[in-house]
Amino acid sequence: QVQLVQSGAEVKKPGASVKVSCKASGYTFTGYHMHWVRQAPGQGLEWMGWINPNSGGTNYVQGFQGRVTMTRDTSINTAYLELSRLKSDDTAVYYCARDPGGDGYNYYYFDYWGPGTLVTVSS
Amino acid sequence: EIVLTQSPGTLSLSPGESATLSCRASQSITSTYLTWYQQKPGQAPRLLIYGASSRATGIPVRFSGSGSGTDFTLTISRLEPEDFAVYYCQQYGYSPLYTFGQGTKVEIK
Repeated sequence: QVQLVQSGAEVKKPGASVKVSCKASGYTFTGYHMHWVRQAPGQGLEWMGWINPNSGGTNYVQGFQGRVTMTRDTSINTAYLELSRLKSDDTAVYYCARDPGGDGYNYYYFDYWGPGTLVTVSS
Repeated sequence: EIVLTQSPGTLSLSPGESATLSCRASQSITSTYLTWYQQKPGQAPRLLIYGASSRATGIPVRFSGSGSGTDFTLTISRLEPEDFAVYYCQQYGYSPLYTFGQGTKVEIK
């Protein structure tokens, strides 16, 4: 069965960077785009971008340009989200989520989600 | 940017009642790209409806989606105790490519 397992909670100081991992199992990792979505405490969902695990190609929300980097390691079926120059309003749960398209296609929604990683930014 | 506005913000209902949740887009969107999710406290969102009206695998038939253009609806007939949660609509198509509504909380009356 499809599973997305994320790394544990992080506490960071403003200005630091954080790297969150998302290990996929139960399907062909390189066949499906992986997205990152975040949710600030008590707030709604915010899409951050996606990575094509096959090619490594990415597409980021403009507002995160320059601060976000999505990468993958196909040898261990893991996607990564790195966010730099952290601010207090980056405090959120960060989710990885799979697009069910397959074969490089997009279906434009998310069928499997990781459990989330809480990142707290505090001095 | 397309804005999705969900209403009401909170819906207070009793088990067995029906729930009607609205998602209105600031511009017309393709039904193919309108999705609904359910989220319970401390959990990740769960896919319910894609393509505006197609139920995801394992989703009970009491969940149904409809709509087109700018107006979309999620209906839950005969609420079960496990249905009390927050529901989000999501669209694809405009920059930013994916946006979510602010959510509707369905709470027990």
